[in-house]
Amino acid sequence: DAGVIQSPRHEVTEMGQEVTLRCKPISGHDYLFWYRQTMMRGLELLIYFNNNVPIDDSGMPEDRFSAKMPNASFSTLKIQPSEPRDSAVYFCASSFQMTGGTGELFFGEGSRLTVL
Amino acid sequence: DAKTTQPPSMDCAEGRAANLPCNHSTISGNEYVYWYRQIHSQGPQYIIHGLKNNETNEMASLIITEDRKSSTLILPHATLRDTAVYYCIVRVASTDKLIFGTGTRLQVFP
Repeated sequence: DAGVIQSPRHEVTEMGQEVTLRCKPISGHDYLFWYRQTMMRGLELLIYFNNNVPIDDSGMPEDRFSAKMPNASFSTLKIQPSEPRDSAVYFCASSFQMTGGTGELFFGEGSRLTVL
Repeated sequence: DAKTTQPPSMDCAEGRAANLPCNHSTISGNEYVYWYRQIHSQGPQYIIHGLKNNETNEMASLIITEDRKSSTLILPHATLRDTAVYYCIVRVASTDKLIFGTGTRLQVFP
């Protein structure tokens, strides 16, 4: 398996523009997580899905952020409108059987977002 | 989930064992200890986890004290490629989330 695949790897945009980050989890995994990493706040959990259903979005910073998982092999994280403080590396991770399982997360290589 | 405390940074000579401590004094009986690492600009990578017994795999060993209030991750023969931020996390097996703290920045030097 190719692992968790994220795109784009780098995105530079201007304030106010819409940003869409994409993630393809490992086939067969039933959990998908979106994390954000900044120097100031470290790795923050934004939202996670189980079997394509959002379970906990309490980490989503505000209404400008939204995430979807239309099927088991694809998820998006959208920011509209984007602001400079959204600049960060966004990681997607997937896992199989978090509850009662090993709890091992497999991370993608991240999408580095810069909002000017 | 219980809080963990790790030193912000450590150094280790190449070829020597790196011993990374973690304090989790409020850990409860059903919480596992996990270790991940993040090499610069990459996504975090799972290393090992355990409940109460010591664990070993091809990457590292995990030593958990008898009272489970602290643990040590051991990289037996550190290499330059082990330079990374190491995260110690405790998690209840029945929960879905993994919350990362600030970790220990390990610098392996020649």
